[in-house]
Amino acid sequence: QKEVEQNSGPLSVPEGAIASLNCTYSDRGSQSFFWYRQYSGKSPELIMSIYSNGDKEDGRFTAQLNKASQYVSLLIRDSQPSDSATYLCAVRGRDDKIIFGKGTRLHILP
Amino acid sequence: GAGVSQSPSNKVTEKGKDVELRCDPISGHTALYWYRQSLGQGLEFLIYFQGNSAPDKSGLPSDRFSAERTGGSVSTLTIQRTQQEDSAVYLCASSPRTRAEQFFGPGTRLTVL
Repeated sequence: QKEVEQNSGPLSVPEGAIASLNCTYSDRGSQSFFWYRQYSGKSPELIMSIYSNGDKEDGRFTAQLNKASQYVSLLIRDSQPSDSATYLCAVRGRDDKIIFGKGTRLHILP
Repeated sequence: GAGVSQSPSNKVTEKGKDVELRCDPISGHTALYWYRQSLGQGLEFLIYFQGNSAPDKSGLPSDRFSAERTGGSVSTLTIQRTQQEDSAVYLCASSPRTRAEQFFGPGTRLTVL
């Protein structure tokens, strides 16, 4: 059974600080990795994708991938109250199926 | 361009009735996924269509659930003899073949009384 694991939180971070969200996955053959943001009552929204080891930066967001450790993370710099949401990690395996973690609730404290 | 659309946005039904949920993917996207999300829970994979290949139905929770995708575009998820535990938001997502990012529709909130 392929799994994607995330800490459910809530993770509370002061406004302006760095929020660090982590995800591990079980399928070593996984190809692609995604972070989605989901506000309460809304659909998930793609914020980052990463395909190779290392860091990928987009504005205040940085995704980090370590395939050897089967670990992917998302850093949010200069956290804002509008970043408060549930963050879903998603992993695409060799069979093209995308499996989601259960999400981490992030709360930015004003 | 237009995103993924789903209909209806809300559906209230009585236990034992059948329901059909519709998804219109982004034009040109060959992959289509259905997920279920119960209140406060993560996304539960239901079924995956990729082009003309046989769908991956491994996530369907029972034989009351079925899905079709006609002409490689519109998909319908059918739930027969609905139960109260079927109440959830049903999300559809589509993805282009060469890139794996998924784009989600707004969902259908199903309530079974």
